[in-house]
Amino acid sequence: QSALTQPASVSGSPGQSITISCTGTSSNVGGYKFVSWYQQYAGKAPKAIIYADTERPSGISDRFSGSKSGNTAFLTISGLEVEDEADYYCCSFAGGHLTYVFGTGTNVAVL
Amino acid sequence: QMQLAQSAIEVKRPGASVTISCKASGYTFTNDHIHWVRQAPGQGLEWMARIDPKSGDRGFAQRFQDRVTMTTDTSTTTARLELSRLNSDDTALYFCARGLGSYFDLWGQGTLVTVSS
Repeated sequence: QSALTQPASVSGSPGQSITISCTGTSSNVGGYKFVSWYQQYAGKAPKAIIYADTERPSGISDRFSGSKSGNTAFLTISGLEVEDEADYYCCSFAGGHLTYVFGTGTNVAVL
Repeated sequence: QMQLAQSAIEVKRPGASVTISCKASGYTFTNDHIHWVRQAPGQGLEWMARIDPKSGDRGFAQRFQDRVTMTTDTSTTTARLELSRLNSDDTALYFCARGLGSYFDLWGQGTLVTVSS
């Protein structure tokens, strides 16, 4: 499985909204309601912020939202805050013997 | 408190094997799969493999299928990943993570593996 495609970087000003795309195929993103998103600070373990395409784990701010259209999933961060500066990765179930594939990752800068 | 505690730094020669451990606590170990994810320096996350501690069922990313061995010990609630025939491209931070349904909700702190001659 090839990595899902994400933009290398996205930036925004505090208070703005940004959207990160994650493009796969019908064998992963488009084939299942199993896209998740992770936030990662440098040198730290990732943290789940979206699962099952659109759901937020307990304790995750509602400024984070997920959506999907066809083979592309989206993460939107609204009301951008300085603390949102991090790397973001999508991940999708990829079928087979319960395998998964991550996206290439997007660095978010808050200017 | 739920936790995945991983083994410490490993330094290995090319061609050698490395075994990383991941001890689970604070939840029922056999209820959820353990996944292994790695991250090379400055690179993105890469899903490697997963194991069901209850059944032993395994799944692998194709590129690791012939080099990865995974085991679990339910008596010590520990999962282990062995990666063989190491090369410099295997230098990375290796994470274990709990699979809660379709996503990874609990992560270990990571084990740094350096492959160098």
